[in-house]
Amino acid sequence: AQSVTQPDIHITVSEGASLELRCNYSYGATPYLFWYVQSPGQGLQLLLKYFSGDTLVQGIKGFEAEFKRSQSSFNLRKPSVHWSDAAEYFCAVGGQLTFGSGTQLTVLP
Amino acid sequence: GAGVSQTPSNKVTEKGKYVELRCDPISGHTALYWYRQSLGQGPEFLIYFQGTGAADDSGLPNDRFFAVRPEGSVSTLKIQRTERGDSAVYLCASSLSTGTTGNEQFFGPGTRLTVL
Repeated sequence: AQSVTQPDIHITVSEGASLELRCNYSYGATPYLFWYVQSPGQGLQLLLKYFSGDTLVQGIKGFEAEFKRSQSSFNLRKPSVHWSDAAEYFCAVGGQLTFGSGTQLTVLP
Repeated sequence: GAGVSQTPSNKVTEKGKYVELRCDPISGHTALYWYRQSLGQGPEFLIYFQGTGAADDSGLPNDRFFAVRPEGSVSTLKIQRTERGDSAVYLCASSLSTGTTGNEQFFGPGTRLTVL
């Protein structure tokens, strides 16, 4: 069975600092991997996705993620965080998506 | 263009009652998914439609839950004899094709169901 682990429930960073959100997955074949963001009162929005090819994936809002098969990881990164990035972030795998439990990001001014 | 819409946005009901939650997918999207998101958790898969048929209903928790998509567009999630544990946000998503190819799913804003 497929599964996703997001080890960090809550992360706090200062505006302008770099960010890395961790995601580990378990999947029987080549995974389809996704990062979604959910702001209060908003629906889930896709940040980026990995299907195949280049293991470094660029997304919207300046986010990127790197697929590392040997580590079963798909960590999300951003070089400089903006206050508007405060939200909950979900990593997901598969077609019928299996989501992690999310990481809540707080951005300090 | 219009995104995925869900109605109602909020539904409060009493234990034991029957509820229906509606999802209008993006026009032309053949795949439709229902997920349930409990407080503090990520969404959990319930059921997936390809066209009019339920291609995978393995996530439905029990036989009180049922979903239909009679014309291959709008879908209704039906919950009988609601229980307090059914309280959650129910999310609908649609995509251009089958989920097994990993096509992007577009999510609606959800219906928040509260069972008193």
